[in-house]
Amino acid sequence: KAGVTQTPRYLIKTRGQQVTLSCSPISGHRSVSWYQQTPGQGLQFLFEYFSETQRNKGNFPGRFSGRQFSNSRSEMNVSTLELGDSALYLCASFLRGGDNEQFFGPGTRLTVL
Amino acid sequence: GEDVEQSLFLSVREGDSSVINCTYTDSSSTYLYWYKQEPGAGLQLLTYIFSNMDMKQDQRLTVLLNKKDKHLSLRIADTQTGDSAIYFCAESMSRNDKIIFGKGTRLHILP
Repeated sequence: KAGVTQTPRYLIKTRGQQVTLSCSPISGHRSVSWYQQTPGQGLQFLFEYFSETQRNKGNFPGRFSGRQFSNSRSEMNVSTLELGDSALYLCASFLRGGDNEQFFGPGTRLTVL
Repeated sequence: GEDVEQSLFLSVREGDSSVINCTYTDSSSTYLYWYKQEPGAGLQLLTYIFSNMDMKQDQRLTVLLNKKDKHLSLRIADTQTGDSAIYFCAESMSRNDKIIFGKGTRLHILP
């Protein structure tokens, strides 16, 4: 069974630009969560999608948005990038109603210059 | 509010046991997790424990939960060089809830 895949793995952008990251969950998983990992703040929850609907949201500004497609693949978008958005963005997929065992992808390393 | 705290560094000699500790603030946490992150990789779920359990053992890993003190620990027996990684303690309130992570403990193995 293939694991969670994220593309691209690395990305360099400049301030003010926008970026879209992609996550493909494990086959059969319909829930996808996104997390931001930085050295200072650690891992912080961004949002969760299930059946193309946002089910849970963290405390991030509106510049951070996401969506989920009918095949459960998810994208997250960050508009008007700031230097502080440089981070490792991790997505995780899981079975809703299970033991909340979330399987993480390798992440996308975003650098904002 | 929700908060998970753990020490940032731990050094252990190869072959010894490693014990990584964690405290959490929310007594309604139902699931408590330990994740491992190796350099350049995502997070790997090592083990988890339900809040109604005191202990869980899985090969070299032993998780102890003291719900009264809101203290969780992970013991790795016979620590190997491959155990060198960052270990994250985490909690969630329910099956479908977000996971709150600690800042991670970097485990360094001494030869």
